[in-house]
Amino acid sequence: QSVLTQPPSASGTPGQRVTISCSGSSSNIGSNTVNWYQQLPGTAPKLLIYSNNQRPSGVPDRFSGSKSGTSASLAISGLQSEDEADYYCAAWDDSLNGHVVFGGGTKLTVL
Amino acid sequence: QVQLQESGPGLVKPSQTLSLTCTVSGGSISSGSYYWSWIRQPAGKGLEWIGRIYTSGSTNYNPSLKSRVTISVDTSKNQFSLKLSSVTAADTAVYYCARVSAVAGTMVYYYYMDVWGKGTTVTVSS
Repeated sequence: QSVLTQPPSASGTPGQRVTISCSGSSSNIGSNTVNWYQQLPGTAPKLLIYSNNQRPSGVPDRFSGSKSGTSASLAISGLQSEDEADYYCAAWDDSLNGHVVFGGGTKLTVL
Repeated sequence: QVQLQESGPGLVKPSQTLSLTCTVSGGSISSGSYYWSWIRQPAGKGLEWIGRIYTSGSTNYNPSLKSRVTISVDTSKNQFSLKLSSVTAADTAVYYCARVSAVAGTMVYYYYMDVWGKGTTVTVSS
């Protein structure tokens, strides 16, 4: 059972816009920023969004992040086949001397 | 460009200690205000944060693993390491190391893992 809650799956057709939600609590998302990671099949996770809505260099602007209260969302517009991957949200949790918590991951399928 | 590479035994016996090393190349582990972290992922499952270390030696650990985990850093070798004691089959996973960067907020820093190693598979079995 993950501390952050994500839907296990999401899907869309090429060109569509999809969103993935991430729900937490006051000790994590509510008081810290959210990061998103993309994991393509058989590869290591890659930083996709940091500090709620910042894109690292090289990440297409099709990817965007937002946060409100104790929830966050990742949006992917202009969906492409290469976006098919697992997506994880993560945040620092202030409880128990502080630690990082992840969502359970969302498998995105491009139909 | 900083790169990270995990190394260590791929097979560990139950009750023994798992030991992994992450070698940092393309930059000094001591330069900049970075933490260095370990994360693992059992086959077919999600990511689990294990812990992190600053080059000063300051650490934070996952509360669920804290009693069994030690993360250390060797700046002379540009490496940091993970030791996980009393392992069981549940510790079988791909283990990743990662660099942790920070963004300054209002009187706090917000952290994110921006460079990852490719991962190494560790199986716990007799």
